Amino acid sequence: AQKVTQAQTEISVVEKEDVTLDCVYETRDTTYYLFWYKQPPSGELVFLIRRNSFDEQNEISGRYSWNFQKSTSSFNFTITASQVVDSAVYFCALRRYNNNDMRFGAGTRLTVKP
Amino acid sequence: ETGVTQSPTHLIKTRGQQVTLRCSSQSGHNTVSWYQQALGQGPQFIFQYYREEENGRGNFPPRFSGLQFPNYSSELNVNALELDDSALYLCASSYSGVQETQYFGPGTRLLVL
Repeated sequence: AQKVTQAQTEISVVEKEDVTLDCVYETRDTTYYLFWYKQPPSGELVFLIRRNSFDEQNEISGRYSWNFQKSTSSFNFTITASQVVDSAVYFCALRRYNNNDMRFGAGTRLTVKP
Repeated sequence: ETGVTQSPTHLIKTRGQQVTLRCSSQSGHNTVSWYQQALGQGPQFIFQYYREEENGRGNFPPRFSGLQFPNYSSELNVNALELDDSALYLCASSYSGVQETQYFGPGTRLLVL
């Protein structure tokens, strides 16, 4: 079974704080893809990152960084020096190799206060 | 480069009616996927269209159907609407099927009364 768990329903931080959003996934596959999407109040899902299961390198993009650990089935997302514009719902998603059914977690609502 | 567009943005229907939602894929993309997002939940995969044929389906009844046109745009049709069909319907496009990253449109908010 494919499953994504985002245990943090809501997180509230003050601007410039660092924040980590947790994502734990379940799959029996050896090859799969992991994603993070951001959903601002407008509703559109904005693609942030895709990671292949065979590539465990962590990635940094500006204030964003991702920590992928197959040993713990986790793909956590950290925002450094958060800004008010980072306020949104963030979704982690899992897709099996050669399969189009992408499974999303329930999302984490991040509020960054000025 | 034109992103994914969807129409209409909002829609109100009554139970039992039928609805058609439309999606234009991002320039260069030939695959369209549809998702249903209920309030407070993550999106759920409905189905995908590739080369004008259904290319995989999630756990949705047959009253959810779709089409893809030669220009890669797509329609989602829902018959016999139920109250639980009230949701945000998201369309995502990608290039050549399952391996590629999906890019989402702004969605259509459907309310069934």
